[in-house]
Amino acid sequence: GAGVSQSPSNKVTEKGKDVELRCDPISGHTALYWYRQSLGQGLEFLIYFQGNSAPDKSGLPSDRFSAERTGGSVSTLTIQRTQQEDSAVYLCASSLANSGGYYEQYFGPGTRLTVT
Amino acid sequence: AQSVTQLGSHVSVSEGALVLLRCNYSSSVPPYLFWYVQYPNQGLQLLLKYTSAATLVKGINGFEAEFKKSETSFHLTKPSAHMSDAAEYFCAVSHISASKIIFGSGTRLSIRP
Repeated sequence: GAGVSQSPSNKVTEKGKDVELRCDPISGHTALYWYRQSLGQGLEFLIYFQGNSAPDKSGLPSDRFSAERTGGSVSTLTIQRTQQEDSAVYLCASSLANSGGYYEQYFGPGTRLTVT
Repeated sequence: AQSVTQLGSHVSVSEGALVLLRCNYSSSVPPYLFWYVQYPNQGLQLLLKYTSAATLVKGINGFEAEFKKSETSFHLTKPSAHMSDAAEYFCAVSHISASKIIFGSGTRLSIRP
């Protein structure tokens, strides 16, 4: 079956512009996660959805970052007024449910965001 | 709080040699532990996970890891490296009540011909 897909694969934007990153999880997966991977660093947790609700937004770096999920499926991560430090690879993952990672998280290929 | 430390940002081994990637964790509750692999320009793929069953965990592609509570370690090994093993490897920790997985900073594995 289809895996997790993300679009666009690459995005170059000017500082100060807004961007939207999209994630299509595996069908039937109720949990969805967003991570940020900066050069030479590990994965930084951003936000987690269970269905359409976001019980844990603790990783969002600032109020310029927001995310939503509709229909228990597609999720959009929005970054407003982008800054150069937002440049990174944004990874999305989904799992059957959320239980401390007991259920495997399946990752998409990521969106590489470059802010110029 | 939980954390994970990967020792060595870059490891280089010869083809056919033993692969050993080190990971130490910190957790105040029984942990779940994971190793993920990331090939260039791809997302992460789960290699193996420990969730309180057998302490020696076997994963895909011939990798295995052993949970050692006394050493708070979860090192990843493979007896004989293959060129296709060249990738970035991430150790991660979580627990049953957690909503997220905490990842280490990664170890890049290079294989010399």
